[in-house]
Amino acid sequence: GQNIDQPTEMTATEGAIVQINCTYQTSGFNGLFWYQQHAGEAPTFLSYNVLDGLEEKGRFSSFLSRSKGYSYLLLKELQMKDSASYLCAVGTTDSWGKLQFGAGTQVVVTP
Amino acid sequence: DTEVTQTPKHLVMGMTNKKSLKCEQHMGHRAMYWYKQKAKKPPELMFVYSYEKLSINESVPSRFSPECPNSSLLNLHLHALQPEDSALYLCASTPSPGSTEAFFGQGTRLTVV
Repeated sequence: GQNIDQPTEMTATEGAIVQINCTYQTSGFNGLFWYQQHAGEAPTFLSYNVLDGLEEKGRFSSFLSRSKGYSYLLLKELQMKDSASYLCAVGTTDSWGKLQFGAGTQVVVTP
Repeated sequence: DTEVTQTPKHLVMGMTNKKSLKCEQHMGHRAMYWYKQKAKKPPELMFVYSYEKLSINESVPSRFSPECPNSSLLNLHLHALQPEDSALYLCASTPSPGSTEAFFGQGTRLTVV
């Protein structure tokens, strides 16, 4: 199985930067995903990393180190609408199609 | 069309009722998923359909019965549910099993009374 750990909650001010860390233990690693979920809504895909390194997509960047079982999601120039839960999820070759989600990090952006 | 459409959005049912949740996508995706999400918890996988065949059943009780009539549709039939089954039920699809981006529907908020 997979153990996926991420902080429960983070608070930051508008315009700031926040980094959400995620650590995982898994066999047959097949990529790490980040999803954003606003309260009462469906998760929306943010990023996918399968190789080591940084993937940048606008204000959001995601980093992966497979040897350390570690990823982070970096949110820059925070906006109020970024207040949401951010879910780290791991895919594995052991069970094709299955995504194992972490518990989510609630990001609160304050004025 | 990059949407996964779920109906109904909200459902209240008694413990003796039979109801069905529906999910539809027209992106040509060949893998479809049912997830269950309780409040303030992450989504938990229930079923995976790959090329219209059930490929993963995460030990889900038989009161939940999935069905994939064709490559665009996924149903979840509900019967004799318990109040603890109240949750947000999310449908998702990917081009193929395990491919990169999962598209989620808006979910059905189910309340069992």
